[in-house]
Amino acid sequence: DGGITQSPKYLFRKEGQNVTLSCEQNLNHDAMYWYRQDPGQGLRLIYYSQIVNDFQKGDIAEGYSVSREKKESFPLTVTSAQKNPTAFYLCASSIDHYNEQFFGPGTRLTVL
Amino acid sequence: KNQVEQSPQSLIILEGKNCTLQCNYTVSPFSNLRWYKQDTGRGPVSLTIMTFSENTKSNGRYTATLDADTKQSSLHITASQLSDSASYICSPGAGNNRKLIWGLGTSLAVNP
Repeated sequence: DGGITQSPKYLFRKEGQNVTLSCEQNLNHDAMYWYRQDPGQGLRLIYYSQIVNDFQKGDIAEGYSVSREKKESFPLTVTSAQKNPTAFYLCASSIDHYNEQFFGPGTRLTVL
Repeated sequence: KNQVEQSPQSLIILEGKNCTLQCNYTVSPFSNLRWYKQDTGRGPVSLTIMTFSENTKSNGRYTATLDADTKQSSLHITASQLSDSASYICSPGAGNNRKLIWGLGTSLAVNP
């Protein structure tokens, strides 16, 4: 069953704790992306990676970190430096940076 | 500045009726434009993609139009179904790297 998966679906953390969101794809896509979605706002790009072992900051990278050690995986860490971490986080992948992005089901993070 | 405006913000229609959603964009240079459907709590799914030279593209009951001169696009839904209830997001691509600009979406509710 091909696709892009994110886990967990819901995540709760206490303020001040770092948390890592998982994103895995078995589509053999080179490019992967992390977005944040808040009510009343469009999708905002956090980080993206066009190839293994390389990634670039998006529009709102502050307080987040990523790694791309494997083609299939692009985990996102929400650090304590992120001032408003509660949001819906979406991971996406595409064959390359110029083609259609396929989205995962999302992770809703709530920081208490 | 690259911008996208979608209207209406929300829409309620009866099952079986048609509707049209609007997207005005200011993106330069324009590369392409996608319409996505996002069910509540899930990731967006691409419905159509249109390039500069395309005026109309259909995907089942969904028909997208593009007027590159006026920088307007529309998504027409024919014979709506309850499952059409979702947010519809317009996303034009900008520049040679086709950076995606995301609209806020139109929230559509189809009632029986």
